[in-house]
Order: sequence, then structure tokens, then C-alpha cells
Amino acid sequence: DGGITQSPKYLFRKEGQNVTLSCEQNLNHDAMYWYRQDPGQGLRLIYYSQIVNDFQKGDIAEGYSVSREKKESFPLTVTSAQKNPTAFYLCASSPLRDSAYEQYFGPGTRLTVT
Amino acid sequence: RKEVEQDPGPFNVPEGATVAFNCTYSNSASQSFFWYRQDCRKEPKLLMSVYSSGNEDGRFTAQLNRASQYISLLIRDSKLSDSATYLCVVNIFPYGSSNTGKLIFGQGTTLQVKP
Repeated sequence: DGGITQSPKYLFRKEGQNVTLSCEQNLNHDAMYWYRQDPGQGLRLIYYSQIVNDFQKGDIAEGYSVSREKKESFPLTVTSAQKNPTAFYLCASSPLRDSAYEQYFGPGTRLTVT
Repeated sequence: RKEVEQDPGPFNVPEGATVAFNCTYSNSASQSFFWYRQDCRKEPKLLMSVYSSGNEDGRFTAQLNRASQYISLLIRDSKLSDSATYLCVVNIFPYGSSNTGKLIFGQGTTLQVKP
């Protein structure tokens, strides 16, 4: 089955610890994205990547880091510098072909930092 | 002003009703338009793309008015299973630049269909 997987579904961490969220896709999509969603709010873009070994900051990149060593994988690290890390994190991918720029989402990871 | 604005609702309607959601966007460089559906505590899922000529998928009809920078979604014969948050989404990039595929998401409109 083609799709996007994120793991784990729930993650609990102590303040001051870095944590890495996994995102894998087997859709052969070029572009991948990370968003965070807070309760009652819209999605905010953290980082995105259009090609392997290249990525750009989104609107709220501070306190986060990413890598894109393989087309299929785009892990996100939430560092201790992120002031309010507790949120719902969503990974997405997009084919970026012709005029098709729709994004497809993974099931998300709920991160709680105490 | 937000780049994509939606009435957050909630819209409470009885089963079988017709309901319409509106969305406005501020950037005239917007190129592609979508409606996504998000169930409670789940990921957003693509409902439909929105084309200039308007498009229909079963009970769902989407319209785009580029002159007014306005998008709409009409749901006919509402079902209980239509209860969700509907996100208006826009792909923006300036003319002459490459499209990064970045999408701007509205905050969503919540629909609750009652028996």
C-alpha cells in the first residue's frame, strides 16, 4: 500500500530533551513538508524539502531541524530550544508535477513535553 | 489580514440540509485551490481540488471566483458522516518564480450534522 507513515503516534518527553519524529513515504513524491497544529488552530509550516539534500525553513522553523538524505524520508528533530513543543505534528508529501500541488498527509504524531 | 480566511463556525445543521462554506484569500498570485477535510484528532485529507470552471463530486460542489478571490464549498443532502472541519487551502507563488508547492491553510470551518 502506498502512503505516508509517521511514528510514533504518541510521544512523551521531558523538557530539555531533543526528540526526532519519523516520516516516511513510498509515493515517490519529490516534496515533503512538516507542519504543527495546535488546538483550535490551523496548520503552520515548519520546514519543507523539494529535493534530496535540500530543505527550506517554513514560517516557524526556530527550535526545529530536519534532514533529507533519502527521497522517502524526512525526519524532524524538535530541539530543547523550541519554547512550546507540545503539539500535533503532521508530515505531508506532494508530487509537484504539472499543476498538481496537492499534499497528502501522514497520520501525525502527538508530542507532549512536560 | 490572514492570507486565507474562513468562518470558523460551528455550523450546526440537520441531516439532509444543504450547507455552504466560504473562504477568501488575499494574495492574487494564488495558483491552486483545494478543500481538505479534517476529522477530530486526525490528519487532513484532500476532499477536492477547486477549478476555475467549478467542479462537482457527488454531493460536493466547489466554486472559485478569482476576481473576488473567493472560494466556496457546497454540501447537499448532509450526512452525519459529513461532520468534520473543512479547510480551505491555497497554493501561492509569485508569477515568474518557481512553485515550491507551499500551501496556506485556513483555520477551518467546523460542521456538525445532527440527526
